[in-house]
Amino acid sequence: QKEVEQNSGPLSVPEGAIASLNCTYSDRGSQSFFWYRQYSGKSPELIMSIYSNGDKEDGRFTAQLNKASQYVSLLIRDSQPSDSATYLCAVNRDNAGNMLTFGGGTRLMVKP
Amino acid sequence: DAGVTQSPTHLIKTRGQQVTLRCSPKSGHDTVSWYQQALGQGPQFIFQYYEEEERQRGNFPDRFSGHQFPNYSSELNVNALLLGDSALYLCASSFPTQANYGYTFGSGTRLTVV
Repeated sequence: QKEVEQNSGPLSVPEGAIASLNCTYSDRGSQSFFWYRQYSGKSPELIMSIYSNGDKEDGRFTAQLNKASQYVSLLIRDSQPSDSATYLCAVNRDNAGNMLTFGGGTRLMVKP
Repeated sequence: DAGVTQSPTHLIKTRGQQVTLRCSPKSGHDTVSWYQQALGQGPQFIFQYYEEEERQRGNFPDRFSGHQFPNYSSELNVNALLLGDSALYLCASSFPTQANYGYTFGSGTRLTVV
């Protein structure tokens, strides 16, 4: 079992729809969770962080965390073609110090 | 406020050669982490430097080594390059106790081994 798992996609949604990206993790003691966006050929950019169970909203983005199910998700409302990118889930596992463990990423395609 | 800067941007090396990649952290950050990202995969942790010492290391062979200087900048060295070392090498900076707040990544160095 991978430490952080994501569906590689591609996930295709029409413009204006809600995109839902999912991530599961294996270390139950993980404390911090992050979503990064990575455009093709570019470096990852932090877009959301979440630390407690529940929802956290920032503009069109909502991160959801369920530690009991070891599941974190990212919702993108009113998806735009400019949201087309790979979305990486990253976890700061318990006792991992300052290391982040990344999933393989989900490629999102927003079609006009 | 300068972000994380990496050099060079692109590099082509021959199998068996050695390479050095460089990173300057974001202003105020004193911890530097290096990641390797193969095409189509997520970043894999190589190691992290703080106070000029390697404080954590991922599952990479000893061919991968690093250094941090007093000004917090860092180098990643890879010896005896293999074709499989071809990847995007990312440097990330943070405060030592603020992995909880996520990293700031540099633009990366694209290494191609031929």
